[in-house]
Amino acid sequence: DTEVTQTPKHLVMGMTNKKSLKCEQHMGHRAMYWYKQKAKKPPELMFVYSYEKLSINESVPSRFSPECPNSSLLNLHLHALQPEDSALYLCASSLLSGAPGNEQFFGPGTRLTVL
Amino acid sequence: QKEVEQDPGPLSVPEGAIVSLNCTYSNSAFQYFMWYRQYSRKGPELLMYTYSSGNKEDGRFTAQVDKSSKYISLFIRDSQPSDSATYLCAMSRGGSEKLVFGKGTKLTVNP
Repeated sequence: DTEVTQTPKHLVMGMTNKKSLKCEQHMGHRAMYWYKQKAKKPPELMFVYSYEKLSINESVPSRFSPECPNSSLLNLHLHALQPEDSALYLCASSLLSGAPGNEQFFGPGTRLTVL
Repeated sequence: QKEVEQDPGPLSVPEGAIVSLNCTYSNSAFQYFMWYRQYSRKGPELLMYTYSSGNKEDGRFTAQVDKSSKYISLFIRDSQPSDSATYLCAMSRGGSEKLVFGKGTKLTVNP
């Protein structure tokens, strides 16, 4: 099973709302990632968790707060977002962070609209 | 100079054509090369993964890596309308957690 699942599929929120995105994988992968993708652009890395610890934060604004409760779950908490944060948010996982190859498997994404 | 260059297209071909997609890169430290397919409004799907120079074949897809020229290719034989998607090349240094993506090439295969 090479599946990464993400919920919700779509999310509309106001600038004062607090919401969370959820990602789950059951492949035994120990690295999980959040990416942001704007239309007609490649994915941009936001955060990397390695063995449930945050290992990379690509200078993401604090209104995005990641959380990794266990090796299978990854959350992204959203608060006071701006309209320019509207994008497709992708979760990915790989077997071992920093291992040779680092094949990453992506979920279907959450399409976020900030009003 | 960007680390990874990929012609964004769009590329339009008739059904059954052979498609060639390419990326060039500047960083000789890249060791691992991937091709992802992304359908509209979906997440990227890993198609091919290769290490260092050489060829890899999987069904109608062939990935080639030429490290001496810093050039990678993806060939699609007998292209089908279902191959219509954006194709992203990605690469990493090995032992690195960060993938560097090309901009993606949008492919349309016409019936």
